Amino acid sequence: EAGVAQSPRYKIIEKRQSVAFWCNPISGHATLYWYQQILGQGPKLLIQFQNNGVVDDSQLPKDRFSAERLKGVDSTLKIQPAKLEDSAVYLCASSLGPGGSYEQYFGPGTRLTVT
Amino acid sequence: AQTVTQSQPEMSVQEAETVTLSCTYDTSESDYYLFWYKQPPSRQMILVIRQEAYKQQNATENRFSVNFQKAAKSFSLKISDSQLGDAAMYFCAYTGANSKLTFGKGITLSVRP
Repeated sequence: EAGVAQSPRYKIIEKRQSVAFWCNPISGHATLYWYQQILGQGPKLLIQFQNNGVVDDSQLPKDRFSAERLKGVDSTLKIQPAKLEDSAVYLCASSLGPGGSYEQYFGPGTRLTVT
Repeated sequence: AQTVTQSQPEMSVQEAETVTLSCTYDTSESDYYLFWYKQPPSRQMILVIRQEAYKQQNATENRFSVNFQKAAKSFSLKISDSQLGDAAMYFCAYTGANSKLTFGKGITLSVRP
């Protein structure tokens, strides 16, 4: 079974530029998550999708971050314009359903450096 | 709001020995899940072990076991017969009714050969 795929693996941009990350979850997983992991910290949930609907985006900085999950499969996370403090690893995860009874499977992450 | 605290930033263990990683959490919910995740240097996060709050029996997965103290809101991970491949960052995490995973800051475990 293929795992969660993410691209690109690394990205370096200058502040005020825009960037997009892509995630392909495990086939059949209805729930998709985007996390931000700043160096030395645990991941922080940015947004959670159930199929193609948003369940929780309370910690997404909506003035610069946006995310979509068209057709309830792949998802993209965009930052526009980027700030220095956005430098982090962006992790995508998926699960069969929401809640602790369903294991979340994580992708390898995209390491973003904003200069 | 729920919080997860890992107060030890790093630990070291001799190969084949046993090590315990500590975690405390705060919640007002009665039904929730607790997890330990492992993140090796390659950064792919994987689930090590899961504990359901309503289960009194501590979860075990091969060399990994937990000590779940619900009243004390404590959830420690014990790794027995430590191996070089156990070296990684370990995160304690919580999820409750809103199904949102809240992570601690993590602990870096090194294994000495």
